[in-house]
Amino acid sequence: GDSVTQMEGPVTLSEEAFLTINCTYTATGYPSLFWYVQYPGEGLQLLLKATKADDKGSNKGFEATYRKETTSFHLEKGSVQVSDSAVYFCALRSQGAQKLVFGQGTRLTINP
Amino acid sequence: DVKVTQSSRYLVKRTGEKVFLECVQDMDHENMFWYRQDPGLGLRLIYFSYDVKMKEKGDIPEGYSVSREKKERFSLILESASTNQTSMYLCASKVGVRDYGYTFGSGTRLTVV
Repeated sequence: GDSVTQMEGPVTLSEEAFLTINCTYTATGYPSLFWYVQYPGEGLQLLLKATKADDKGSNKGFEATYRKETTSFHLEKGSVQVSDSAVYFCALRSQGAQKLVFGQGTRLTINP
Repeated sequence: DVKVTQSSRYLVKRTGEKVFLECVQDMDHENMFWYRQDPGLGLRLIYFSYDVKMKEKGDIPEGYSVSREKKERFSLILESASTNQTSMYLCASKVGVRDYGYTFGSGTRLTVV
């Protein structure tokens, strides 16, 4: 079945550091891929998405590129801020399906 | 702004109780979902509904049921709560087949004692 694997957390970085959170997936066909963010005490918010191979999703300085050949959708940001501290979830939606399949989440903490 | 509202932020219930978690959306979305969030496991789908009175089991439906009598409301029911159902429950909704993303509620943290 469909699955998403994220890098193990927690991840702790200093402010202005470069961020990468790895995400790989298993799915048939061409799924849509998403990154969601959950700030403390809140629900999930859509951060960015990509719906076909080689698409790049971007938002708030975060980027991720849909790589079909490596079945990956790694999240990157060039210079993180304390306010980026949150839990990040990679997810996919297979063609024809309505449900999202989530990775296990990666907790990110940014220190000033 | 679109909104998904979960009726309770925190709930404490006793083992064996029947528990109702309510979710309301104001966006006229066809699809609604109940997920459970546990540390290290991410979000797992319990049930979803693609129309009024229609429902489908997700990945972990055992011990749960759902009700969707009106388009805007999707209820999750724990028939007889158990301690292993202590978790964060997240409701989400989505319009049609397009990938505009899912809108999530703030979650209900349920503790079963």
